[in-house]
Order: sequence, then C-alpha cells, then structure tokens
Amino acid sequence: AQSVTQLDSQVPVFEEAPVELRCNYSSSVSVYLFWYVQYPNQGLQLLLKYLSGSTLVKGINGFEAEFNKSQTSFHLRKPSVHISDTAEYFCAQGGNTPLVFGKGTRLSVIA
Amino acid sequence: GAGVSQSPRYKVAKRGQDVALRCDPISGHVSLFWYQQALGQGPEFLTYFQNEAQLDKSGLPSDRFFAERPEGSVSTLKIQRTQQEDSAVYLCASSLFGQAGSYEQYFGPGTRLTVT
Repeated sequence: AQSVTQLDSQVPVFEEAPVELRCNYSSSVSVYLFWYVQYPNQGLQLLLKYLSGSTLVKGINGFEAEFNKSQTSFHLRKPSVHISDTAEYFCAQGGNTPLVFGKGTRLSVIA
Repeated sequence: GAGVSQSPRYKVAKRGQDVALRCDPISGHVSLFWYQQALGQGPEFLTYFQNEAQLDKSGLPSDRFFAERPEGSVSTLKIQRTQQEDSAVYLCASSLFGQAGSYEQYFGPGTRLTVT
C-alpha cells in the first residue's frame, strides 16, 4: 500500500525567509505526486503536481517542488514566504488510484 | 466557473441520528471521491465513483456508511446511527481522472460533522 510521510508537523518561519516542507512517498511503478494547501475552514487547493517530465515543478503562489526518485522525496519550497502563506500543506500520492495523503505540515509565518 | 460544492457546510447531529451529506461535482467530471478528515489529520479515502458506478468502497469505516451517485452527477454520503467517532470534515473531490492525462482532483469546501 502507498504511504506518504510528511516529516514535520509544524514549521514556523519568519516572513520573507525561505521555507522547505518535506515529503517522502512510497515507490511505485507510476508515481503521481501533488501538494495541496488548506486554509482554515476551506477545502484543498492544488499548489502543484508532478506527473512526469522535468523533476522541478513550479506551482502557484511562488511554490516549487523537486521530484527525487532515488530519495523518494518531493519537497516543497518557496524562496520568500508571506504572512498569507500561513496554512496547512498536504503532500499526496495518487494517479489512477484515490489519493493517499500525508498527515500535513502546519506552516506558520511570523511577522 | 463553478467548482465542487458541498452541503450542508456544517452539521450537528445527536448520537444515533442519520445524516446525509451532498456533493455537486464539477460538470463533466466522471470521477468523484469522498474523503474523511479527522481533526489535525490528512484526508483519508472513503469511496470512489466513476459515473454512477461505485468502483471502490474499501475506505468506508463501517456498514453504517453508504454512498450513492445514481445519475452519475450529484453524490450523497449517508451515515446511519451516527457515533462520536464519526465527527470529522467530509471532503468531496471530482476529477477527469486520466482523461486527457489529467489526474488532478478538485476539492469542495467540505462538510464539518459534529456528533454530540
């Protein structure tokens, strides 16, 4: 069975500092990976996805992620965070199957 | 354009009551998923439809949970004889699911169920 591990449950970071949210996935024949963001009392919004091709994936709001097959990782990065980035972030693995989510990382941006 | 909508947004039920949660997917999306998100956790898969066919219900936690999508569009998740452990946010997502190479799932805002 697939499993997704998010290594940090909470990440505090100062405004305008860089951030990395870590995610490890389970190896599979086909790997489709996603990062979603969830703001309070809202559903999940897709930040970016990796289906194939370039290992560096750019998403919305200045986020990017790098697919690393040898380390089975798909870490999310942003070079400079804003207060508005404070939210819960979920890494997910799926494709031709329902999504399997990590437990989430709470990003708190401090002014 | 219209996204995935869910109703009600909030539901309080007394233990033992039956509840019905509705999901309206994006028009044209053949695949529909239900997930359960407990407080402080990631969403967990409950069940999945392709058009009106329920292809996977392996995530339903008990036989008190039942889902349907009779006309391949709107779906209803029903929970009978609710228990306190059913308290969670129930998320619905729809997808083209492989059509045109798309595997992205679009989520609704969720229904927060509180069982007292």
